[in-house]
Amino acid sequence: EAGVTQFPSHSVIEKGQTVTLRCDPISGHDNLYWYRRVMGKEIKFLLHFVKESKQDESGMPNNRFLAERTGGTYSTLKVQPAELEDSGVYFCASSQMGGWNEQFFGPGTRLTVL
Amino acid sequence: TQLLEQSPQFLSIQEGENLTVYCNSSSVFSSLQWYRQEPGEGPVLLVTVVTGGEVKKLKRLTFQFGDARKDSSLHITAAQPGDTGLYLCAGAMTGNTPLVFGKGTRLSVIA
Repeated sequence: EAGVTQFPSHSVIEKGQTVTLRCDPISGHDNLYWYRRVMGKEIKFLLHFVKESKQDESGMPNNRFLAERTGGTYSTLKVQPAELEDSGVYFCASSQMGGWNEQFFGPGTRLTVL
Repeated sequence: TQLLEQSPQFLSIQEGENLTVYCNSSSVFSSLQWYRQEPGEGPVLLVTVVTGGEVKKLKRLTFQFGDARKDSSLHITAAQPGDTGLYLCAGAMTGNTPLVFGKGTRLSVIA
């Protein structure tokens, strides 16, 4: 069974540009989460989808971040316009409904904003 | 405010030694998960504990969930260089709620 995949693995952009990150969860996993780790800090929650619906977006830093999960399959996270403080590693995780919320993580996208 | 305090932050030991990593909180979690992360990769799930007082073993790794479900520990017996990595604890308050992570413990086992 394929794991969670993320694209791209790395992205380097200039301040003010737009970047779109993609996450493909494990097939059949209705829960999809976005997390971010900035340098020196712990991994922090951004957003939670249940199928195509946003269940919790309390962790989104501001309205420059837009996440979508059309059709309840893959998800995208767009940052527009990017700022220096958006640099970090963005992780996607997925889990099945019910159970004990065992989340499986993708390899992450390392975003560098110059 | 850090919800999950993980200690120690760094640990460097000789091969064959034992070690314990702690994860403490003032909050109660419905489940707590331990992950291991290698450079350039995402966290890999090691174990999930859900019952107060629960002990789970994974080869040389022993995981314990506190009776009050506020803390957890990871004990490694006879550490090996292959155990080197970043160990993360993460808790869920209820059901499918997002995980709250500790800052991690970076373990280095020297041959």
